[in-house]
Amino acid sequence: DAGITQSPRYKITETGRQVTLMCHQTWSHSYMFWYRQDLGHGLRLIYYSAAADITDKGEVPDGYVVSRSKTENFPLTLESATRSQTSVYFCASRSGPFTQYFGPGTRLTVL
Amino acid sequence: DAKTTQPPSMDCAEGRAANLPCNHSTISGNEYVYWYRQIHSQGPQYIIHGLKNNETNEMASLIITEDRKSSTLILPHATLRDTAVYYCIVRAPKDTSYGKLTFGQGTILTVHP
Repeated sequence: DAGITQSPRYKITETGRQVTLMCHQTWSHSYMFWYRQDLGHGLRLIYYSAAADITDKGEVPDGYVVSRSKTENFPLTLESATRSQTSVYFCASRSGPFTQYFGPGTRLTVL
Repeated sequence: DAKTTQPPSMDCAEGRAANLPCNHSTISGNEYVYWYRQIHSQGPQYIIHGLKNNETNEMASLIITEDRKSSTLILPHATLRDTAVYYCIVRAPKDTSYGKLTFGQGTILTVHP
């Protein structure tokens, strides 16, 4: 099916562990994004990518690493998870300047 | 970015039209009006966008006033599944090179049986 998917949908991990959140889109959109959403902060951009092998920081990149070896995949890695990274993470891809399609989200809990 | 103002909440009866207003009195000529919504526990969902002409798609209609200072998103036959937070965003295509989205407080639409 065409669309954007995220995995896992739910993840519980412990402080200090490495976690990778996966994002896959089937449209071949060039731009992809990672956001986190927390109560009181709204949607905040972590990283974005303009194309394969081109990534750049957003508003809150510290503690996160991204890669994009293929157009359709944009994984987000928390190198050493902290409790402050407990959040809902959304991946999105862009078809127009401000037309973005979001995935269903990954709810991450760091204990 | 042009500032937008939306009512914090609205109610609508199922099957009736839901009309969600957005005020953007400082909009400039090259800025588009975008609408997104976020249903509880789901990712934000793009609905529609427009520049100055009215727009319609399978989800909704967007009516932009002639002076472009306000707009209305219309869900013609609201269902319970349309209960969500609706966001009006005004941006110009060249505001940023990558199209970062910033959502304000939005309007909580509650559709009642």
